[in-house]
Amino acid sequence: QVQLQESGPGLVKPSETLSLACAVSGYSISSGYYWGWIRQPPGKGLEWIGSIYHSGSTYYSPSLKSRVTISVDTSKNQFSLKLSSVTAADTAVYYCARQPYDSSGYYVDYWGQGTLVTVSS
Amino acid sequence: QSVLTQPPSASGTPGQRVTISCSGSSSNIGSNYVYWYQQLPGTAPKLLIYRNNQRPSGVPDRFSGSKSGTSASLAISGLRSEDEADYYCAAWDDSLRGVFGGGTKLTVL
Repeated sequence: QVQLQESGPGLVKPSETLSLACAVSGYSISSGYYWGWIRQPPGKGLEWIGSIYHSGSTYYSPSLKSRVTISVDTSKNQFSLKLSSVTAADTAVYYCARQPYDSSGYYVDYWGQGTLVTVSS
Repeated sequence: QSVLTQPPSASGTPGQRVTISCSGSSSNIGSNYVYWYQQLPGTAPKLLIYRNNQRPSGVPDRFSGSKSGTSASLAISGLRSEDEADYYCAAWDDSLRGVFGGGTKLTVL
């Protein structure tokens, strides 16, 4: 059974960089699939942030691309998210996820439990 | 503003059949599969429908999906109180990004 667990600071100051990690168990990242991040502001809908393959190949949301970096560490079987220059609008529950390819694109089949990150001074 | 458009709310009584619509464009729903997720209060979303109309193991057959052109629908028959949740449609867009609907809050009256 694939399990994903997010970790990182729950509070980040405005203009600083949000950093989260996602530990994967029950599956080796090196075996395949893209691995991604999705966020959900309080009381709002889901927003896809980006995804990474074990080779380092990435896809990013155009609206966040200038501030986002997703990286992978296969030795630790985890991947990470960095979002720079954060503002209050970046306050959200951040989910990490597994993203299989399904002949026409990628989707999410496994989700982490999510971690709330609040941007505030 | 979400790329895919869903009604913000839907409701039904126990036993009833309800449908939730999802509208997109030729670059997402029109050319790629549609997925549906159920999010119970305080929990992570759960995959409900994949490839437009396929159910993962464990998802009751009361849930069904369909797609036509640039729109898709999720139908829930035999509505139960435990179906009260937020439902999201999703698709891959040809601009190489994932896109979601804004979500529909289903209330079981």
